[in-house]
Amino acid sequence: DVKVTQSSRYLVKRTGEKVFLECVQDMDHENMFWYRQDPGLGLRLIYFSYDVKMKEKGDIPEGYSVSREKKERFSLILESASTNQTSMYLCASSQGLAGISYNEQFFGPGTRLTVL
Amino acid sequence: GENVEQHPSTLSVQEGDSAVIKCTYSDSASNYFPWYKQELGKRPQLIIDIRSNVGEKKDQRIAVTLNKTAKHFSLHITETQPEDSAVYFCAASPSSNFGNEKLTFGTGTRLTIIP
Repeated sequence: DVKVTQSSRYLVKRTGEKVFLECVQDMDHENMFWYRQDPGLGLRLIYFSYDVKMKEKGDIPEGYSVSREKKERFSLILESASTNQTSMYLCASSQGLAGISYNEQFFGPGTRLTVL
Repeated sequence: GENVEQHPSTLSVQEGDSAVIKCTYSDSASNYFPWYKQELGKRPQLIIDIRSNVGEKKDQRIAVTLNKTAKHFSLHITETQPEDSAVYFCAASPSSNFGNEKLTFGTGTRLTIIP
């Protein structure tokens, strides 16, 4: 059974703080993703990674960076948090086997971040 | 890049009736279309998907149809039950030979089943 966990369910930070959100998956998945979820806007891709130390920008990367030093862990970093980054952040992973397209994404429980 | 539009944003149906959610996409290279269900306070989970070489797929009370010419696909839920109440997201993706495809999601439909 795939398990994707996120470091916090709720987080409150101040404007300007550096924020780390961590995601860990235990199924040896190649691909990992960070989304933010806002009412009426759906799930928007921030960054994704298809290999250790590899990263690609998604649709809304501005104000964020990521780190993937180990295969099972993918971190989202807000260098200087702003109020417009208040949101629900969802991590996901997928198997990413070459030659097998359409890999199902498995989501973590989400982190609700509030920036004051 | 890909753009996915989803309608309606909210939908209320009587228990036992059918519900239909529609999505359109812009990128003709997209050929994988999954649907995710997110119950209140829970994580999104895949409920059904369809590939571009198939026009329709069914799984019990859920079906998905795809019209590649018109670039739209739909989710159909029949004999709705209270546990169908959730937010549903459609998504689209081009295929990848390397397994690293990414999804573009629609904005979601909040489905409420009225007992």
